[in-house]
Amino acid sequence: KQEVTQIPAALSVPEGENLVLNCSFTDSAIYNLQWFRQDPGKGLTSLLLIQSSQREQTSGRLNASLDKSSGRSTLYIAASQPGDSATYLCAVLYNFNKFYFGSGTKLNVKP
Amino acid sequence: EADIYQTPRYLVIGTGKKITLECSQTMGHDKMYWYQQDPGMELHLIHYSYGVNSTEKGDLSSESTVSRIRTEHFPLTLESARPSHTSQYLCASSESRVAGAGELFFGEGSRLTVL
Repeated sequence: KQEVTQIPAALSVPEGENLVLNCSFTDSAIYNLQWFRQDPGKGLTSLLLIQSSQREQTSGRLNASLDKSSGRSTLYIAASQPGDSATYLCAVLYNFNKFYFGSGTKLNVKP
Repeated sequence: EADIYQTPRYLVIGTGKKITLECSQTMGHDKMYWYQQDPGMELHLIHYSYGVNSTEKGDLSSESTVSRIRTEHFPLTLESARPSHTSQYLCASSESRVAGAGELFFGEGSRLTVL
């Protein structure tokens, strides 16, 4: 059974700090990996999508990397802001049918 | 910007009522999904569809049913709601027929409270 793990479960940092969120997966035969943001009571907003042939993707202050051989992805957030406070989830697609989600990292950026 | 819509956003109903949660997407995606999520908890897949007239149960047992008569529409129905059905229901879609696709898009969710 494919498993996706996110560490840490929660993170609190002061504003302006650079931070890294981790996502690991047990089976390296992925099709793609996606990072999401979820605000309380809302749906998930797609942040970055990395195809299996790619090593990283960037959007603004966000950079996501993918290392299939080690079964890991990281989401790097530069110069964090209070508005970045949310839960961040990663999801792995192994075939075209199902996505496997991690349990998320709850981020709090303190002003 | 994702074009996937869920209604109602919030619903409070009594036990035993029949409810339908609506989900529509305008992107022409072939795959659609329903997830259930309790506050602060993981997402659980309850139903998915590969295309019109194709539906499958997900990993979490659910008393709900779904239909996919049109590509853009994937409603979820509870015939007799119970307090244990209180949760947030998230609809999502993705495209699998184009190389390099597979990005998952979510609606805003429907928060159901059964009294």
